[in-house]
Amino acid sequence: EVQLLESGGGLVQPGGSLRLSCAASGFTFSSYAMSWVRQAPGKGLELVSTISYNGGSTYYADSVKGRFTISRDNSKNTLYLQMNSLRAEDTAVYYCVKAPQQLKTFDFWGQGTMVTVSS
Amino acid sequence: QSALTQPRSVSGSPGQSVTISCTGTSSDVGGYNYVSWYQLHPGKAPKLMIYDVSKRPSGVPDRFSGSKSGNTASLTISGLQAEDEADYYCSSYAGTYTYVFGTGTKVTVL
Repeated sequence: EVQLLESGGGLVQPGGSLRLSCAASGFTFSSYAMSWVRQAPGKGLELVSTISYNGGSTYYADSVKGRFTISRDNSKNTLYLQMNSLRAEDTAVYYCVKAPQQLKTFDFWGQGTMVTVSS
Repeated sequence: QSALTQPRSVSGSPGQSVTISCTGTSSDVGGYNYVSWYQLHPGKAPKLMIYDVSKRPSGVPDRFSGSKSGNTASLTISGLQAEDEADYYCSSYAGTYTYVFGTGTKVTVL
């Protein structure tokens, strides 16, 4: 059974930093691209970042480019999102998502971790 | 990339059918046969319901079906059940590592 367990969310002041982690199990983590998708309160889904299966390619939404960094440790089956210079508009539930590029979809999602940026 | 356009809400009685539209452009929905649909229940992990416009992952009831015409994709839920009450989002591939999501639709079972 595929499981994606996010952690690291919480309350942070504007301008602060936070690192999200996602522990993956139930599939060969090193074979699949992974993404972070967020949902701000009362808003829709937004693709934040994607990393290829080996970490060699990354994608960032314009809204986070230069502030967020996605990475992965295939030896630990773990995905990360380093978030710097956080803004109020980054407040959202952040989902860790399995993103098999050959299927062009997001086939398994975690339950999400809440990030609140507020003073 | 602008968000795909979905109706804010749709509703139906148990047993009825409802259809949710998802309108994009020739750069996303119209340009690729890679439209997906996701079901979101509060506090639960989002679930993939349809991919590649009309394919169902294992375990998704065949009451859920997808289609596409031009720049508009649709999700139809036939034989509506109480557990289908949720938010539904479409998404479309739009280029390497690029995906755009819809605005979301709340399905209410009356």
